Amino acid sequence: GAGVSQSPSNKVTEKGKDVELRCDPISGHTALYWYRQSLGQGLEFLIYFQGNSAPDKSGLPSDRFSAERTGGSVSTLTIQRTQQEDSAVYLCASSPLGGFGQPQHFGDGTRLSIL
Amino acid sequence: QQQVKQSPQSLIVQKGGISIINCAYENTAFDYFPWYQQFPGKGPALLIAIRPDVSEKKEGRFTISFNKSAKQFSLHIMDSQPGDSATYFCAATTYSGGYQKVTFGTGTKLQVIP
Repeated sequence: GAGVSQSPSNKVTEKGKDVELRCDPISGHTALYWYRQSLGQGLEFLIYFQGNSAPDKSGLPSDRFSAERTGGSVSTLTIQRTQQEDSAVYLCASSPLGGFGQPQHFGDGTRLSIL
Repeated sequence: QQQVKQSPQSLIVQKGGISIINCAYENTAFDYFPWYQQFPGKGPALLIAIRPDVSEKKEGRFTISFNKSAKQFSLHIMDSQPGDSATYFCAATTYSGGYQKVTFGTGTKLQVIP
């Protein structure tokens, strides 16, 4: 079946512009996570959705970052007034319920480059 | 306290050899320890996982060894193959507030040479 889909796969934009990154989770997965992966670094947690609500936004690095999820499915991560330090791969993952021991299924990410 | 420390950062192993990646943690609330494998340009994928009440788990050529008292765990890849060349992330999870939160190590880039 279809896995987690992210778009665009690559995004190059100028400093100060806004960007929107999209994630289509596996159908039926209620838990959705966003991570950021910088070059040579591990995965940094950004935000977690259960259905359309976000009970954990603790990883969002600044108020320039926001995310929403609609219909318990598609999620968008928005970065306003992008800075060069925002350059990274943004990964989305989903799992059936976000419960104990459930693996997270990752998309292939959006590689964001800020010029 | 939420960190998971992973070593080495990179590893080169001959084909047929054993690859060993180590991780350590401080937070005793972690209750599940998965390993993820990531190929270039792809997202991480779950490889193998262990619960803290088990000292070892083996799946094919991949084995996790877990030392609860030392708060350390490691991944062993037996008979390493060039196709195993990838970045490996250890992780530790907590389950609270109704959801699982995953803390990842910084990754180990493994290269298996023929």
